[in-house]
Amino acid sequence: DGGITQSPKYLFRKEGQNVTLSCEQNLNHDAMYWYRQDPGQGLRLIYYSQIVNDFQKGDIAEGYSVSREKKESFPLTVTSAQKNPTAFYLCASSILTDNSPLHFGNGTRLTVT
Amino acid sequence: GIQVEQSPPDLILQEGANSTLRCNFSDSVNNLQWFHQNPWGQLINLFYIPSGTKQNGRLSATTVATERYSLLYISSSQTTDSGVYFCAVEPSGRTGGGNKLTFGTGTQLKVEL
Repeated sequence: DGGITQSPKYLFRKEGQNVTLSCEQNLNHDAMYWYRQDPGQGLRLIYYSQIVNDFQKGDIAEGYSVSREKKESFPLTVTSAQKNPTAFYLCASSILTDNSPLHFGNGTRLTVT
Repeated sequence: GIQVEQSPPDLILQEGANSTLRCNFSDSVNNLQWFHQNPWGQLINLFYIPSGTKQNGRLSATTVATERYSLLYISSSQTTDSGVYFCAVEPSGRTGGGNKLTFGTGTQLKVEL
């Protein structure tokens, strides 16, 4: 089955540690995205990538980094510089044309204490 | 940036009832999508609808782009419709395709027996 796989589902880290969230898709989508969701809020765009080896900052990129070495993979690193890292992180992908809907993975819930 | 307001913020329905959810946005858009987030956090794309009307089973959506709003109709609601409904938009003028979306804060729907 085609889809977007995020792992792990739950992640716990100590403050000051970097942590990397995995996102893999087998939909052959060119574009991939990372969004963050806080309780009771909508989603906010962290980073996006439209082609391998290229990515752009979204609205809240500070404290995060990404890479896009393969079309299928778009890992997100939450660095120690991110002041409020505890959140629900959602990876998404889409075809890179107009009128293409966005599809999401099941998310990773990160808790930093 | 563009503002997205959804109403009502919360809604409780009896199973079988109909409802209308509203999304207002502050600028012209070339991309508008509706999503359903289930109680486990999974986001499902319901409609890609920057203008016009679409229907999918018990759900339908209408976007009046010139007046900057979109409506999501749920008919004969079921308990499985519970969750949060998000509207997300991308302003006109952004180039390059893709889905760099701004989300509203959602409508929390609970359908009771």
